[in-house]
Amino acid sequence: AQSVTQLGSHVSVSEGALVLLRCNYSSSVPPYLFWYVQYPNQGLQLLLKYTSAATLVKGINGFEAEFKKSETSFHLTKPSAHMSDAAEYFCAVIMNRDDKIIFGKGTRLHILP
Amino acid sequence: GAGVSQSPRYKVAKRGQDVALRCDPISGHVSLFWYQQALGQGPEFLTYFQNEAQLDKSGLPSDRFFAERPEGSVSTLKIQRTQQEDSAVYLCASSLGGELNEQFFGPGTRLTVL
Repeated sequence: AQSVTQLGSHVSVSEGALVLLRCNYSSSVPPYLFWYVQYPNQGLQLLLKYTSAATLVKGINGFEAEFKKSETSFHLTKPSAHMSDAAEYFCAVIMNRDDKIIFGKGTRLHILP
Repeated sequence: GAGVSQSPRYKVAKRGQDVALRCDPISGHVSLFWYQQALGQGPEFLTYFQNEAQLDKSGLPSDRFFAERPEGSVSTLKIQRTQQEDSAVYLCASSLGGELNEQFFGPGTRLTVL
């Protein structure tokens, strides 16, 4: 069965530091991959998605993610953290166009002043 | 409105009560999804509509859960005889069509069953 693993339920970084949120998937075929962000008391918002085009995907708010098939990973990065980036981030996968989205358990990002 | 709206935002029910959760999708969006998000977990798929047709209900945890979208717009998720394990945030999302189109999420309804 397909699954998504997010390493670290909580990640803290200093303002201005690199943000790295890890996501690994289990699949025998290349999936479609997503990162969503959830701000407090708001709905999930799509940050970026990989749909078999370029392996490096750029999203909103300066985030990007790289699909690495050999590592079955889709880690989310941002060069310089901002206080407004504090939120919960979810990695998600779809195995083929007709499948439902499978979400990871989420990683709460804390930004230290 | 511009986004997906859900009501009520918060619902407290006594065990055994029936509840109904409403979702107003973005106008013109064909697809509508319901998810359940337990505390500390990611959203889990419940059911999916394309217009008024319920194409996938494989995620509904029991026959106490029922969803409908009779006119292909507003959807209602009904939970009968609520149990404590039903306590969660219920998220609704809509999209132009299909899974790969961006799903726009509502703020959710937080259900607490006492």
